[in-house]
Amino acid sequence: AQSVTQLGSHVSVSEGALVLLRCNYSSSVPPYLFWYVQYPNQGLQLLLKYTTGATLVKGINGFEAEFKKSETSFHLTKPSAHMSDAAEYFCAVSDSHNQGGKLIFGQGTELSVKP
Amino acid sequence: NAGVTQTPKFQVLKTGQSMTLQCAQDMNHEYMSWYRQDPGMGLRLIHYSVGAGITDQGEVPNGYNVSRSTTEDFPLRLLSAAPSQTSVYFCASRPPQQETQYFGPGTRLLVL
Repeated sequence: AQSVTQLGSHVSVSEGALVLLRCNYSSSVPPYLFWYVQYPNQGLQLLLKYTTGATLVKGINGFEAEFKKSETSFHLTKPSAHMSDAAEYFCAVSDSHNQGGKLIFGQGTELSVKP
Repeated sequence: NAGVTQTPKFQVLKTGQSMTLQCAQDMNHEYMSWYRQDPGMGLRLIHYSVGAGITDQGEVPNGYNVSRSTTEDFPLRLLSAAPSQTSVYFCASRPPQQETQYFGPGTRLLVL
């Protein structure tokens, strides 16, 4: 069985500060890992994903994440927060064996950015 | 392409009523899924389908039915709505050879 834990349901940073959103996963098979962003009253948009290959993946809007197998982590970072980054962020895992493309989501982390 | 579309955007039901949430995609994706989003719980998989005529249960299937008669459409039926089904529902699709799921804009459902 797979699971995802996001540490911190709410994170607040100042504009220009580092953004760090934590995600740990559990998977008995090699995982595919994703970060999605949800702006208020909107659907989910893919930020970035890890499937195979390079463990540091870059996404849209200056975000990146590093897959660390030894730590079972896939933390999301951005060097300098912008007001427009305020949103809810979801980490998700799927089975690399492609069992119907099911995604298991974490609980979500709401990011606030202070001016 | 319109991508993944969902109707209605918002619905209010009374306990015991039935309704169908519509989901359609025009990308010829074989895989489609329904999720519900509740505060503090992320998104949870309700049902999914790997192709026309094939469906399976996800994490929280009770109270919901699905069918997949065509590649394009994947409706979600609430047989007898309960207040616990108040949620935001998202439909998603993807082709089997890719990992990325494409989400619809969501349907916000309130059951009184």
